[in-house]
Amino acid sequence: GAVVSQHPSRVICKSGTSVKIECRSLDFQATTMFWYRQFPKQSLMLMATSNEGSKATYEQGVEKDKFLINHASLTLSTLTVTSAHPEDSSFYICSANGLAGSTDTQYFGPGTRLTVL
Amino acid sequence: RKEVEQDPGPFNVPEGATVAFNCTYNNSASQSFFWYRQDCRKEPKLLMSVYSSGNEDGRFTAQLNRASQYISLLIRDSKLSDSATYLCVVKGGQGFSFIFGKGTRLLVKP
Repeated sequence: GAVVSQHPSRVICKSGTSVKIECRSLDFQATTMFWYRQFPKQSLMLMATSNEGSKATYEQGVEKDKFLINHASLTLSTLTVTSAHPEDSSFYICSANGLAGSTDTQYFGPGTRLTVL
Repeated sequence: RKEVEQDPGPFNVPEGATVAFNCTYNNSASQSFFWYRQDCRKEPKLLMSVYSSGNEDGRFTAQLNRASQYISLLIRDSKLSDSATYLCVVKGGQGFSFIFGKGTRLLVKP
């Protein structure tokens, strides 16, 4: 149980285009999902917390108009990188709250590697 | 002081060695603790939760010291496949965020 999928796994796009990344909890419902970004050889950076049916909560320094998050159902959250630029190239990973035994924890999707040319 | 701190390493150990990592946290109200493993260019994967009484899963043992506010991960009989970055994660109570450490890199060599 507690499987999280992400699509696409890899995307290459031209500068100025928008890219949508989907995050799905496959066998459980997730009222809260998280979006992270990770640059090469650096640690995970939380971008935003996505809450089903309400607005996402963005971390300081993350532009909400550039990284649009929609969490329309209990199993799907999307992240849209608008007007992508080469500096947006990164590994984007989502996670969803699930249970490990009786403990609330996070399960991660396999990530999306974005390359902006 | 950072909320969750880890020695970034790398820890270079020979196969078969025992290695231990510590992770300190500064919020005494934290309630849940985890170790995740992240391989290069992959997503983090839950390795084990850390319980107050400590827990063991095969070669891996995790312990929690609330008084000193740290958790530890012990790996016995290291395998080459244990090479990865180990992330310490701390969570407060209901409604609180998960706080990730920056990870400790382990390299197990033949």
